[in-house]
Amino acid sequence: DTEVTQTPKHLVMGMTNKKSLKCEQHMGHRAMYWYKQKAKKPPELMFVYSYEKLSINESVPSRFSPECPNSSLLNLHLHALQPEDSALYLCASSQSPGQGILGGTEAFFGQGTRLTVV
Amino acid sequence: DQQVKQNSPSLSVQEGRISILNCDYTNSMFDYFLWYKKYPAEGPTFLISISSIKDKNEDGRFTVFLNKSAKHLSLHIVPSQPGDSAVYFCAAGQTGTASKLTFGTGTRLQVTL
Repeated sequence: DTEVTQTPKHLVMGMTNKKSLKCEQHMGHRAMYWYKQKAKKPPELMFVYSYEKLSINESVPSRFSPECPNSSLLNLHLHALQPEDSALYLCASSQSPGQGILGGTEAFFGQGTRLTVV
Repeated sequence: DQQVKQNSPSLSVQEGRISILNCDYTNSMFDYFLWYKKYPAEGPTFLISISSIKDKNEDGRFTVFLNKSAKHLSLHIVPSQPGDSAVYFCAAGQTGTASKLTFGTGTRLQVTL
């Protein structure tokens, strides 16, 4: 099983809504990530969890709140988003946090959640 | 500040020919590099990687070359197939930084019949 599964695939939410994005992997990876990708732009890192602890927050606004309940699950809680937050949100996982390529650090990505904020 | 750049936004190659995608980086601390392929509405798929201790890595039709002095890497696909048509991202990372990858801007490859 080399899959990273993200739900939902599509989400439309109003600016006053609260919603959550979910990500799951069963590869035993101990690093999990949230990336945001706008149209025709590269993925941009938002958060990194290493061994279930938040290790990197790329100055993401507090309206995005990540959570890692266990080593297989990663959530992104959304509240009071703005229309400019509309994007493809990608979850990824990798085997060995901080080990570089020698540690098998290739990140495997989910299919993403296409978020539209109206 | 774009630390990883792919200066060609698009590339068109005939089926069977070689596709060469280029990537430049500015951060000399990067010590491993990856190429990802992305279809529309899907997440990036890992293709091939290389660490800074090597200058070449090959996997089937895909070969990545690294020129550290020039801070340049390239992905060669030979022979190119129509199914290779996608957006290709190079990404770079630094050992010991929790696997934080910095992505390039992407090159859209179109393989024509």
